[in-house]
Parts: sequence; structure tokens; C-alpha cells
Amino acid sequence: ELKVEQNPLFLSMQEGKNYTIYCNYSTTSDRLYWYRQDPGKSLESLFVLLSNGAVKQEGRLMASLDTKARLSTLHITAAVHDLSATYFCASVGAGGTSYGKLTFGQGTILTVHP
Amino acid sequence: DSGVTQTPKHLITATGQRVTLRCSPRSGDLSVYWYQQSLDQGLQFLIQYYNGEERAKGNILERFSAQQFPDLHSELNLSSLELGDSALYFCASSVGAGLYNEQFFGPGTRLTVL
Repeated sequence: ELKVEQNPLFLSMQEGKNYTIYCNYSTTSDRLYWYRQDPGKSLESLFVLLSNGAVKQEGRLMASLDTKARLSTLHITAAVHDLSATYFCASVGAGGTSYGKLTFGQGTILTVHP
Repeated sequence: DSGVTQTPKHLITATGQRVTLRCSPRSGDLSVYWYQQSLDQGLQFLIQYYNGEERAKGNILERFSAQQFPDLHSELNLSSLELGDSALYFCASSVGAGLYNEQFFGPGTRLTVL
């Protein structure tokens, strides 16, 4: 059974600092997603990572995928308050009966302080 | 706005009751997924339908059932409600049923069981 684990679960950052959120998954995965969720809101898709070595960047966020290590990272550069949210990674596994179902990590609650 | 709609936005009911949550997928999407987000279980996959047929089942309780209608909207029925069923229920849709179809999430229905 596919398991997805994130760390840290809580992250308190100062504005302007850099940090990385890690996402480990237990079985082969064909793609990896990163989502952002604001309190009480829906999931906003940030990145879709399709292959080993994939790197995507949007603003202050950069995501990467290492399928051999079964690891994805979400790097935050020069954090600003607007980035405060909960970040989830999710995997679809690979083939079999996974179909499209997403398995989510626990989420990382990011708080950016002045 | 993802194009996925869910009604109602909020639902407050009592233990033992039955409720129905409704989801309309994006135009052109044939697949609908239901997810539950709770404090203790996190985000977990419940069930997937594709063009009216059940495709995959996750951690869905026997008290819960779902269906997808010919017009492709879907309903999630929750019965004999318990306090622990209080959660945010998300619907997502995608074009196809398989691993390579990105899912787009609706705004969610917040269910409170008193």
C-alpha cells in the first residue's frame, strides 16, 4: 500500500529565509503533485512532477522529484507572509488498481513571520 | 475557480441522520472522485466513478455510498451519521479515469455532525 510522508509537519519561518519541505513515498509513483490549501478552502494545484529529475518553479516555490530515492522536495526561497498555508504532496502510485486515486501526505503547516 | 461545483457549502446535522452531498464536474470531465479531510485522518480517498461506473474504492465506510448519474454529476450519501464523520468533503474531477489525468478539486462541503 502506498504511503506518503511529509516533514516537517509544522514550519515556522521568518520572512526572507529559505526552507525545504520533504515528501517521501513508499512505492513506485508515476507522478507527484504539490497542493496548497488555505484554511477552510479547497486544494490549489501548485506543481505536477512527471519524471525523475523533474524540476518546476513558480515564483518563490520550486519543486523537484527524485524517483530513485522516492523523494520530492518543495523549496521555499525568501519566504513572504502570503506563502503561509498548508502544503500537501500527493502521489498516484503506479499502475495496477491505483487508477487516479491520490494518496496524500499529512500536510505541512507553514507560517511565515515578519 | 476549478470549474467543479459542490453543494451545499456547509451542512449541520445530528447524529443518526442521513445527508447527501452533490458534485458537478468540470465540463467535459467524465471521472469524479470523493475525498474526506478530517483532523485525525487527514486527506483520504473515498471512491471514484468514471462515466457512471465505480472505478476504485478507498477507505469508504459501509454507511457511505455514492453514485454518478447520466449527466455526470455525483452524489455522496452519508447515513447513520456519527460525530466522527464531521469533516470537509471534497469532490474532484478529471477527463479520464487513469493515473495520468490531473484532478481538479471543488470548494468542498463542510459537514458538522452534532
